[in-house]
Amino acid sequence: KAGVTQTPRYLIKTRGQQVTLSCSPISGHRSVSWYQQTPGQGLQFLFEYFSETQRNKGNFPGRFSGRQFSNSRSEMNVSTLELGDSALYLCASSLGWGQGMGTEAFFGQGTRLTVV
Amino acid sequence: GESVGLHLPTLSVQEGDNSIINCAYSNSASDYFIWYKQESGKGPQFIIDIRSNMDKRQGQRVTVLLNKTVKHLSLQIAATQPGDSAVYFCAESFTSGTYKYIFGTGTRLKVLA
Repeated sequence: KAGVTQTPRYLIKTRGQQVTLSCSPISGHRSVSWYQQTPGQGLQFLFEYFSETQRNKGNFPGRFSGRQFSNSRSEMNVSTLELGDSALYLCASSLGWGQGMGTEAFFGQGTRLTVV
Repeated sequence: GESVGLHLPTLSVQEGDNSIINCAYSNSASDYFIWYKQESGKGPQFIIDIRSNMDKRQGQRVTVLLNKTVKHLSLQIAATQPGDSAVYFCAESFTSGTYKYIFGTGTRLKVLA
């Protein structure tokens, strides 16, 4: 069974540009969450999606946005990139609550974004 | 490349010894707790979880203990192996319809040969 797939693995962007990151969840999983990981702030929740709806949002500026498609794949977008956006962006896949089969989330390997 | 903090608390243990990693969680209303392991260059890997109606849960070579009175969580690893070297994170959440996890700062485990 394939795991969570995030693309691209590495990305270098210039300040002011925008970027789109992609996440394909484990087959059958309908919930996708996104996290930002930095050495200074650790792992911080960005947002989560279930059945194409954003269910929860973390404390990040509006430059960070996301969406989920009908096949459960998700994308996140960061506009007007800042140097401080350099981080590892992680996607986590889950069955989704109400399934009654556990609540653990499985992470992908992440996309390493460097803003220069 | 390194994907986690450079100044994390570090626990060094001898190969074969038991390891205990501690975590204080923040919200007394949290009812679901998870331990993740993160190796360099990889995403967090699920180890074990526990719900708030339990005090202890055992997996293969791992045990999680939950003390709700003092909001404390611990992960015990039996017979620590070199492959256990990683950063370990605890996370807290609610089971009522969200996968929003609040992660701890992490502990680096170094296994000495």
